[in-house]
Amino acid sequence: NAGVTQTPKFRILKIGQSMTLQCTQDMNHNYMYWYRQDPGMGLKLIYYSVGAGITDKGEVPNGYNVSRSTTEDFPLRLELAAPSQTSVYFCASSPYQGPGELFFGEGSRLTVL
Amino acid sequence: EDQVTQSPEALRLQEGESSSLNCSYTVSGLRGLFWYRQDPGKGPEFLFTLYSAGEEKEKERLKATLTKKESFLHITAPKPEDSATYLCAVQASSGTYKYIFGTGTRLKVLA
Repeated sequence: NAGVTQTPKFRILKIGQSMTLQCTQDMNHNYMYWYRQDPGMGLKLIYYSVGAGITDKGEVPNGYNVSRSTTEDFPLRLELAAPSQTSVYFCASSPYQGPGELFFGEGSRLTVL
Repeated sequence: EDQVTQSPEALRLQEGESSSLNCSYTVSGLRGLFWYRQDPGKGPEFLFTLYSAGEEKEKERLKATLTKKESFLHITAPKPEDSATYLCAVQASSGTYKYIFGTGTRLKVLA
């Protein structure tokens, strides 16, 4: 059972480049999330989706975009990368609308130089 | 403002030395409090959900408890394999799909 799969695991970008972090889940979960994790900080929500075709901003959406064309996939797009986007990015999913556990991917470590 | 604070930031224990991690929260209506374990280079892994004050959950050497203001993660007779970062998160009534995470407690258990 794959769960939540993120690619790539590591990436180095130059300032101004763009890239897409891929996230796919095979659990048929409606709810999907993108978080970033910085040292000494809690996980911060970037974007979330409650189902295919529906996305909304979280706490720190600036510089990012998402799409949700299928239940399985929730890619995160970084446009014009900046050093402030150096972080570890986690995708998560949940079957619940109410309080429930999140299933996380293993993370994507991005460095912007 | 909804907030989650975890303490201590880091904790070193000898194998077998029991202790507790704290998660204090202020939210406008608690829908659920969650504990996760995170190993280096990995995503958080779910441990427990607590919904109301007085609730307790146990799993092996871990026991989570909840009051109206805080939660404790008690670790009894820890082993080196319990070394990890433990994250606390809450889901508030005001934000249906949003979880608020604490910064975590880094636990190191020495053999």
